[in-house]
Parts: sequence; structure tokens; C-alpha cells
Amino acid sequence: LAKTTQPISMDSYEGQEVNITCSHNNIATNDYITWYQQFPSQGPRFIIQGYKTKVTNEVASLFIPADRKSSTLSLPRVSLSDTAVYYCLVGDGSQGNLIFGKGTKLSVKP
Amino acid sequence: EAGVAQSPRYKIIEKRQSVAFWCNPISGHATLYWYQQILGQGPKLLIQFQNNGVVDDSQLPKDRFSAERLKGVDSTLKIQPAKLEDSAVYLCASSLEYNEKLFFGSGTQLSVL
Repeated sequence: LAKTTQPISMDSYEGQEVNITCSHNNIATNDYITWYQQFPSQGPRFIIQGYKTKVTNEVASLFIPADRKSSTLSLPRVSLSDTAVYYCLVGDGSQGNLIFGKGTKLSVKP
Repeated sequence: EAGVAQSPRYKIIEKRQSVAFWCNPISGHATLYWYQQILGQGPKLLIQFQNNGVVDDSQLPKDRFSAERLKGVDSTLKIQPAKLEDSAVYLCASSLEYNEKLFFGSGTQLSVL
């Protein structure tokens, strides 16, 4: 099972761009990279998913280098409401391999 | 679109008692997951169903935990008997198929005293 490593915490200020990097050195060929956001007292919420290169949606971008051993979640112009824990998952969804790590606690300050 | 429904929202029991949690996934979602989240940690997968069959239950403490998914729709997770270390939030999630994004419910917060 592919394991992930993320920074435990990050601080930012409103309006800044935040980049959170996840390492997954033993990612398998069939594995996708998925990021989730979790607020206190809520279940995680899907942010973005990618396999290679760059993916962008209305809330974030995901950058994946050619070797796929890491990925970077980019949040443009964060606000106070982006304060949450962000999880990087690597897997193809089969055989119970969607494993959450400890996540990155992002704190956005005014 | 209705989300993943879980009940109860909170449960307080004494150790050695039994407890059950219920989950109703999003209509049409074939895959259902139960996760356990201890305070300050990421969610830990307990069991994954594909329709009404078990795909993976390697992390489920089978001496005290059981789960079923009747007719491939609703699911229940039971703990019997509960221990103090079972205090956690139990999250249910569903997805359309493998490799699809997971939709989580709000969870059941269990306190074992």
C-alpha cells in the first residue's frame, strides 16, 4: 500500500497562495492521487484528484511531476474559511487501499 | 442530491456495552466504507463493501466489530462489547465505483466511559 508523507502543519495569511506537498515514493501504476479537506466535526470533503501532470478545478490545482513520487496541492488566495486539515491519498480504490495519513493542518490568519 | 446519512450523531455508552451505527449511502453508490477517526488522527479504514460483498476488512477488529450491508444499500456497524479505546468518530463514506471520489457523512461520535 502506498504511504504518504505530508507536513504536519502550515500557516498562511489571507490572500496568499498555499502549496502543500505530499510524498508518495512507492505509488503504483494504477494509483490516483486524491486530496480531501476536513473541518472540525465534519467528514472529509473531496477537493481534487489527478493521475499525472496538472489538474485544475474551481477550488484548487494539483501538480504531479512525471515520476509521480510527489504531488502538490495549490490553493489560490486562501481565506479564513480554508483553515482545515488537508489529506493526500494514493490508491485506486480497490482492496481497501484508500489510506488516510495524518494530514496537514492549515491555519489561515487575517 | 442527498448526501450520506448517518445516525445517531452522538452516542455515549459504558464499556462492555453494545452499540450500532447506521449509514445510508448516496443512491446508486456501489462502494461503501466505514472509517474510524480518533481525535487528532486521520480516518482509519475499517471495512470496504462493493455492493453487498466485503472487499477489505483487514483493519476491522473482528473479535468485537461487525458490519453488514443489506441488499447492497444501507449498512450497519456494530461494536460488542465496547472498550474505552473505541471512543472515536465513525465515518461512513460512499462512492459510485472504485477510484471515484468519496462522499462522507457527518459521522457518529462515540464516547465509551
